[in-house]
Amino acid sequence: AQKITQTQPGMFVQEKEAVTLDCTYDTSDQSYGLFWYKQPSSGEMIFLIYQGSYDEQNATEGRYSLNFQKARKSANLVISASQLGDSAMYFCAMREGQSTDKLIFGTGTRLQVFP
Amino acid sequence: DVKVTQSSRYLVKRTGEKVFLECVQDMDHENMFWYRQDPGLGLRLIYFSYDVKMKEKGDIPEGYSVSREKKERFSLILESASTNQTSMYLCASSRWTLDGTQYFGPGTRLLVL
Repeated sequence: AQKITQTQPGMFVQEKEAVTLDCTYDTSDQSYGLFWYKQPSSGEMIFLIYQGSYDEQNATEGRYSLNFQKARKSANLVISASQLGDSAMYFCAMREGQSTDKLIFGTGTRLQVFP
Repeated sequence: DVKVTQSSRYLVKRTGEKVFLECVQDMDHENMFWYRQDPGLGLRLIYFSYDVKMKEKGDIPEGYSVSREKKERFSLILESASTNQTSMYLCASSRWTLDGTQYFGPGTRLLVL
């Protein structure tokens, strides 16, 4: 069965430092997509970054990059130069196959950025 | 920018009441989704829709129904609210594209007493 695992319930990082949030996935599909979302305390889920299973290069969006290691089935989110506003819950998600837009979510990691 | 709105940010209802949660998107997206979010469980898919008047069950459809009469609007209905339906409800929409990115509304925190 397809599954997303986020093993870090909480992480702390100092402002301006980089932080890596872990995500591993399990799927038998050859074609799939991986997403990261940010959820501030306000509740809205904000799309951050996407990686397709056939993309050869790691995805980057500003200070966010996705460290995609297909053989290890991991899709870690790297946030560079952390800011106080990065404090939030972060969810990793996977799209099941290619013919559906259904997403499976992990349980999330709470990131706290301190001065 | 994609805009997904939900009818209420906070809602308090009593056990047995019929509850309507509405979601509207303004980007002409084909797909719409309803999730519930509970601590430690992540987001779980309740129902989704690929087109007007079409609906498909997600992972936890029991106790819920949906309606999609117009492309931009997707309603979640709790026929008879129960205390175990107290949760955060999130609506999302997506376009049929290679990546299928879903865009979310602000969420509705529902408390059933």
